[in-house]
Amino acid sequence: EAGVTQFPSHSVIEKGQTVTLRCDPISGHDNLYWYRRVMGKEIKFLLHFVKESKQDESGMPNNRFLAERTGGTYSTLKVQPAELEDSGVYFCASSLYMGGGGYTFGSGTRLTVV
Amino acid sequence: KQEVTQIPAALSVPEGENLVLNCSFTDSAIYNLQWFRQDPGKGLTSLLLIQSSQREQTSGRLNASLDKSSGRSTLYIAASQPGDSATYLCAVSYAGNMLTFGGGTRLMVKP
Repeated sequence: EAGVTQFPSHSVIEKGQTVTLRCDPISGHDNLYWYRRVMGKEIKFLLHFVKESKQDESGMPNNRFLAERTGGTYSTLKVQPAELEDSGVYFCASSLYMGGGGYTFGSGTRLTVV
Repeated sequence: KQEVTQIPAALSVPEGENLVLNCSFTDSAIYNLQWFRQDPGKGLTSLLLIQSSQREQTSGRLNASLDKSSGRSTLYIAASQPGDSATYLCAVSYAGNMLTFGGGTRLMVKP
């Protein structure tokens, strides 16, 4: 079984540019989550999809972040325009069920905004 | 505010030692608690999941305990090995869904 795949693994962009991160969850996992860890801080929840619907987006920091999951398969997280404080590692996770644990995390995308 | 704290932030031990990592949480109304391991440049690997009704879980040399009333969990690693070197993360789920993470403990086991 393939794991959760994130692309790219690293991205360096200039302030003001746009970046799109992609996550391919495990096939059949309806639940998809985005988290991020900024330097020196804990991993923080961003949002949760159930299939193509946003179940909880309470962790999204501001309207420069847009997440989509068209068709309920892969998801993208777009940052536009990127700011310096957006630098960090963005993790995606998927699970078959809600609440029971069983999360599988991707390796993350390390985003550096310069 | 729901917060998760891990102590110590970093730990270095010689191979073979038994060790304890600590996790505390401010809101005891948790749904479950998980311990994860993260290797550099890798994703998070789930080690143990403890439901709110459980007191402990064991997997091999790992044992995790949960005391909801005091807001604490410990991860016990027996007979540590260099391959155990990694960052260990504690995460709690309050609504049975999103995870609230601690800052992690960076463990180094020296041969």
